Amino acid sequence: GQQVMQIPQYQHVQEGEDFTTYCNSSTTLSNIQWYKQRPGGHPVFLIQLVKSGEVKKQKRLTFQFGEAKKNSSLHITATQTTDVGTYFCARASGSARQLTFGSGTQLTVLP
Amino acid sequence: DAGVIQSPRHEVTEMGQEVTLRCKPISGHDYLFWYRQTMMRGLELLIYFNNNVPIDDSGMPEDRFSAKMPNASFSTLKIQPSEPRDSAVYFCASSLGQKNTEAFFGQGTRLTVV
Repeated sequence: GQQVMQIPQYQHVQEGEDFTTYCNSSTTLSNIQWYKQRPGGHPVFLIQLVKSGEVKKQKRLTFQFGEAKKNSSLHITATQTTDVGTYFCARASGSARQLTFGSGTQLTVLP
Repeated sequence: DAGVIQSPRHEVTEMGQEVTLRCKPISGHDYLFWYRQTMMRGLELLIYFNNNVPIDDSGMPEDRFSAKMPNASFSTLKIQPSEPRDSAVYFCASSLGQKNTEAFFGQGTRLTVV
């Protein structure tokens, strides 16, 4: 199937440092969704991007969708310990918008 | 709304036993999904329903897995017989399935088969 690759797999940062995770596809994506999963928790929807070159912000989080709609990124400015968790990108496809998830980036924030 | 409700939260069973996982979707959502999460394979879709009808079960790993949705407010995922490699976290999710909507996940069931 159409894979969505995500890097890095792990990222350790000091509190206050920035963090970025990248999502790449070999084919054009109609959309990309981002989810956050806290340790021991469940995926929680953050945002969906659908337009070429789209940039959306949620407080310290900035989401981008590439011009070619083949890649996306999530950037967190000045990380906090509450940002700890695994961040997944996902492609929603089909009439049911079923999700194909990337492998996730596990973020650890050191106090 | 209480969100998607799954039970049990944790299940430990012996190899060969039958396991039934339960899910109550958000009221009004017409799509229900079962996902499995493991370290090796990540989050993968097993099966999904639309208006209680199974639409795509191509992600179900083997015939030992079956899923039902007898009504709009209840779904089950059954494994019979269970094997140690079935150990994983199983998530149920529901959505409206429209173009710009998100999936809402339950808390998950952590299954351990010993």
